[in-house]
Amino acid sequence: ETGVTQTPRHLVMGMTNKKSLKCEQHLGHNAMYWYKQSAKKPLELMFVYNFKEQTENNSVPSRFSPECPNSSHLFLHLHTLQPEDSALYLCASSQDWDREQPQHFGDGTRLSIL
Amino acid sequence: AQSVTQPDIHITVSEGASLELRCNYSYGATPYLFWYVQSPGQGLQLLLKYFSGDTLVQGIKGFEAEFKRSQSSFNLRKPSVHWSDAAEYFCAVGGGADGLTFGKGTHLIIQP
Repeated sequence: ETGVTQTPRHLVMGMTNKKSLKCEQHLGHNAMYWYKQSAKKPLELMFVYNFKEQTENNSVPSRFSPECPNSSHLFLHLHTLQPEDSALYLCASSQDWDREQPQHFGDGTRLSIL
Repeated sequence: AQSVTQPDIHITVSEGASLELRCNYSYGATPYLFWYVQSPGQGLQLLLKYFSGDTLVQGIKGFEAEFKRSQSSFNLRKPSVHWSDAAEYFCAVGGGADGLTFGKGTHLIIQP
């Protein structure tokens, strides 16, 4: 799936660092999502954006800060993370937030917190 | 609250044999159901989806799934698996502004 591109693919950071994850979609979609995939746990929805407006914040700690400057780009800013935040972070997009529109996923960023 | 249960964490199937992966859901309204596959180091790829109409839906790579409202199930099937089908399979419900609710996944192992 090359329609949704995530960078970097891997990221190792200390707990005091600040970094950002980037997601770009080339599908002309208007809705974008961040999910967290931890070992032995279901994928967890973190944030939803529709037409650049955040519509869902699934009780995510404030050390995760999303940004959606336009419908094609989505960022996840990271600050003062904890070891339990180590996971695969997946970005997805869909045409809009109609339930019938399937979500297309990127390959994810593997984040490791030292 | 919506939820998805995939009761099998691991399944091992011989190459060429048939496959069925189980999925049970809980959803308050008409469910929107999806199956995704994830190969190592990659994101999720949509296999098929169900919203309404014919309860047997066809997807990519020779997969199909059957929606059974009475059993709250949406099981994934394939008549003959190939070694390249080895991956993690996720069932999901919902979508839209609420995002998708996923099961924990089933790890499929293909024996030669």
